[in-house]
Amino acid sequence: DVKVTQSSRYLVKRTGEKVFLECVQDMDHENMFWYRQDPGLGLRLIYFSYDVKMKEKGDIPEGYSVSREKKERFSLILESASTNQTSMYLCASSLGREETQYFGPGTRLLVL
Amino acid sequence: SQQGEEDPQALSIQEGENATMNCSYKTSINNLQWYRQNSGRGLVHLILIRSNEREKHSGRLRVTLDTSKKSSSLLITASRAADTASYFCATDEKAAGNKLTFGGGTRVLVKP
Repeated sequence: DVKVTQSSRYLVKRTGEKVFLECVQDMDHENMFWYRQDPGLGLRLIYFSYDVKMKEKGDIPEGYSVSREKKERFSLILESASTNQTSMYLCASSLGREETQYFGPGTRLLVL
Repeated sequence: SQQGEEDPQALSIQEGENATMNCSYKTSINNLQWYRQNSGRGLVHLILIRSNEREKHSGRLRVTLDTSKKSSSLLITASRAADTASYFCATDEKAAGNKLTFGGGTRVLVKP
């Protein structure tokens, strides 16, 4: 079974802090994705990566950056956390571009 | 508005009844996927249906796709309390670099 893990289930940070959300997948998938999920807005794509050291902006990249130094790990970085970044963050991976995405359990981030 | 939009937004049924939810989209797609999300958790893939397919089954799930109407439906037969979850459709748009675009979801409550 594909396993996608996220470093924290719950996280509380203060405005202005730098926040790292880590995601690791164990199935040698090429593609990895970061989404945020907010009530009434569904899932929105922040960034994705189709290969190591490669990244592409999704629909809402502002205020975020990512890092993919190794194939299995995709990190989401909030350079200076703001209250409007309070959300559920979901990481996913897939083997091919048109294939099923496998999701991690999510990180619920609260920025005070 | 979002590429994939589910209807209804919420559904409440008795155990044993069938649940039907619909998804509409706007542009040409390679495939359409349905995911389930239990409260506070990550998404779990249910079914992928490709643009050249019209119907697909998986256990108690039946998915149809009508590309002429740009719509899909998910039917859960003989529902169980464990089917209580949110259900999302996700479209893989041809014009969007094969990113998945998620709808807002249908919240299903199955009462025992």
